[in-house]
Amino acid sequence: QQPVQSPQAVILREGEDAVINCSSSKALYSVHWYRQKHGEAPVFLMILLKGGEQKGHEKISASFNEKKQQSSLYLTASQLSYSGTYFCGTANDYKLSFGAGTTVTVRA
Amino acid sequence: GAVVSQHPSWVICKSGTSVKIECRSLDFQATTMFWYRQFPKQSLMLMATSNEGSKATYEQGVEKDKFLINHASLTLSTLTVTSAHPEDSSFYICSAEAGDPWQYFGPGTRLTVT
Repeated sequence: QQPVQSPQAVILREGEDAVINCSSSKALYSVHWYRQKHGEAPVFLMILLKGGEQKGHEKISASFNEKKQQSSLYLTASQLSYSGTYFCGTANDYKLSFGAGTTVTVRA
Repeated sequence: GAVVSQHPSWVICKSGTSVKIECRSLDFQATTMFWYRQFPKQSLMLMATSNEGSKATYEQGVEKDKFLINHASLTLSTLTVTSAHPEDSSFYICSAEAGDPWQYFGPGTRLTVT
């Protein structure tokens, strides 16, 4: 079952902050965050594991509330390069189910 | 980081023909690769899991006879769309695991069936 993401879209000016939420009706063991630019493949941003471990490539922070089965991705001091569609993915065994995505547009 | 390539990056074919898409892990061995389909402005939907040396595992609703998957080596998986129709037009993306608990995605293949 797909996780639910909110909001669907957000428009920011450079330097502004935003939060993207991801929730699941099932117990979460890990949450993955990816960003996809138009016409390109998704790029891994971060994984949050049950128990608090996090691993990520970029300076983007996220939280994982196991009890509430939710995760949030924090875009702080946004840059133009942050524009794209952000997907959260929840893992069931080895398979990922992706949310519908949140389109982020950062304007100068 | 691990690199996954796909070929071709885009393809146009006529209705009724078959198209093969290749997914390669360039600098690592991938025992498991995944195939996704993405329609415009929609999310990625897992089609199947491809395991080296064994039959692919298809998601519910995905026709295994239409979307043939072969994972012949640890670096190559192929997806063949047989008897393609316009409704098969989509963005097909593969991914692989490289020992990390996340997936590395290929650049995708845009298929247009006319």
